[in-house]
Amino acid sequence: RKEVEQDPGPFNVPEGATVAFNCTYSNSASQSFFWYRQDCRKEPKLLMSVYSSGNEDGRFTAQLNRASQYISLLIRDSKLSDSATYLCVVNPYPFSGGYNKLIFGAGTRLAVHP
Amino acid sequence: SQTIHQWPATLVQPVGSPLSLECTVEGTSNPNLYWYRQAAGRGLQLLFYSVGIGQISSEVPQNLSASRPQDRQFILSSKKLLLSDSGFYLCAWSADTGSWGYTFGSGTRLTVV
Repeated sequence: RKEVEQDPGPFNVPEGATVAFNCTYSNSASQSFFWYRQDCRKEPKLLMSVYSSGNEDGRFTAQLNRASQYISLLIRDSKLSDSATYLCVVNPYPFSGGYNKLIFGAGTRLAVHP
Repeated sequence: SQTIHQWPATLVQPVGSPLSLECTVEGTSNPNLYWYRQAAGRGLQLLFYSVGIGQISSEVPQNLSASRPQDRQFILSSKKLLLSDSGFYLCAWSADTGSWGYTFGSGTRLTVV
C-alpha cells in the first residue's frame, strides 16, 4: 500500500462547480498534513495546512479524519484559475524537532472549463 | 523573509556529461534541505535530504550525489548523466521543527540528449 494515495483524476468541472478530492494515508502516527498546488511545469506551492478540527480559507476547505486516515479538500465556486494538480502531503513521523520528511501523493489533476 | 533560489531554470546536456545544480536559501539558518525529481507526468521522488552541513541522506540508489558545503547551500551532481536522469529537479527547504511544510525552488528542467 502506498503511504499516500490520491485519485489521479482528471476531474473536469465547469466554472462555479464544487469539487472534492480525497486522499488516504497509511501511517496512523502521521502528525502534519498539507495540500499543495502545482501548476503545469511549475514548482508545488503550499495551498493550506490541514488541522484536526478542519479549516477553511476562502473557497477552500480542508478536513482531516484521523480515524479513517483520510484528508479531503473541497473547492467551492471553481474558477478557471483553479486548474492545476493538487498534491496531498503527509508528515508520517512524530514530531521530533530535528527531522521533517514529507510524503507527497502523486496528485489529482483538476481542469475547470468555461 | 525566507527565499530559495535554484538555477539554472532549464538545461540540456548530452549523455555522459557532468551535472551540477545549485540551490541556496536566504533568510533562515540551519534549514532542512531536499532534492526532489519529478519525471514527466509523475509524482515527486525524494532523492536526498540534509539536516546540516556535510550531512546527506540518500533515498534511492542512483547516478546522482548531493553535497552541502555551507549551511544554506545544497548541490546536486552527477559525474556522467544518463537519459533516465531527465526530469524536473526541485530543491526545497523546511524549518527543522517539523510542522510547517516545504518551500520549493522554481526548479530546473533537465533534458539529457
